[in-house]
Amino acid sequence: DSGVTQTPKHLITATGQRVTLRCSPRSGDLSVYWYQQSLDQGLQFLIQYYNGEERAKGNILERFSAQQFPDLHSELNLSSLELGDSALYFCASSLGSQIQSDTQYFGPGTRLTVL
Amino acid sequence: GDSVTQMEGPVTLSEEAFLTINCTYTATGYPSLFWYVQYPGEGLQLLLKATKADDKGSNKGFEATYRKETTSFHLEKGSVQVSDSAVYFCALSKSGGYQKVTFGTGTKLQVIP
Repeated sequence: DSGVTQTPKHLITATGQRVTLRCSPRSGDLSVYWYQQSLDQGLQFLIQYYNGEERAKGNILERFSAQQFPDLHSELNLSSLELGDSALYFCASSLGSQIQSDTQYFGPGTRLTVL
Repeated sequence: GDSVTQMEGPVTLSEEAFLTINCTYTATGYPSLFWYVQYPGEGLQLLLKATKADDKGSNKGFEATYRKETTSFHLEKGSVQVSDSAVYFCALSKSGGYQKVTFGTGTKLQVIP
């Protein structure tokens, strides 16, 4: 158990809909990262927040947005969903802000299925 | 842009065999290199990392050396166990003006008794 929690575990929705994925980091960690894992795109880094501020941005679509709240939990919002958005979405957390050196701890993931 | 290339899987080995999973990268600047492991139905776990050239990362019998001259970070283990069966991801990350993480496609390892 990494100490990172993600809810829900599974989510099934329809095209065009909007969903919110939630992540609670390990106690004391200030950074949250979001990743997407799909069969065709592999594992992709989406975005990083550190202490409430956006810190790094990867291959995140404009239809997706994220935020980190004062209690440090984070939400990833996916809108206008398409079939291709079906994937496993992971959240990770780390103590500091340095993506290059900090150890990231991954949650168990949320499996999103878009029908 | 940055990229990470891993050997295609799946790799099937007998227990106690020697393991090598190749990983090469293309990146500007001075990235850090990582190996992550993903067990079935779970998230990724950091296996080892190296933050500069010639560094050797090691953990649980696994090793990898950051070779800048060959842009490689091959994963090795002298004697694999059934419990090592998983998918292994090589990754690089960079800080500075544009922080990001780039993953390889993953290599599935199956160890048979």
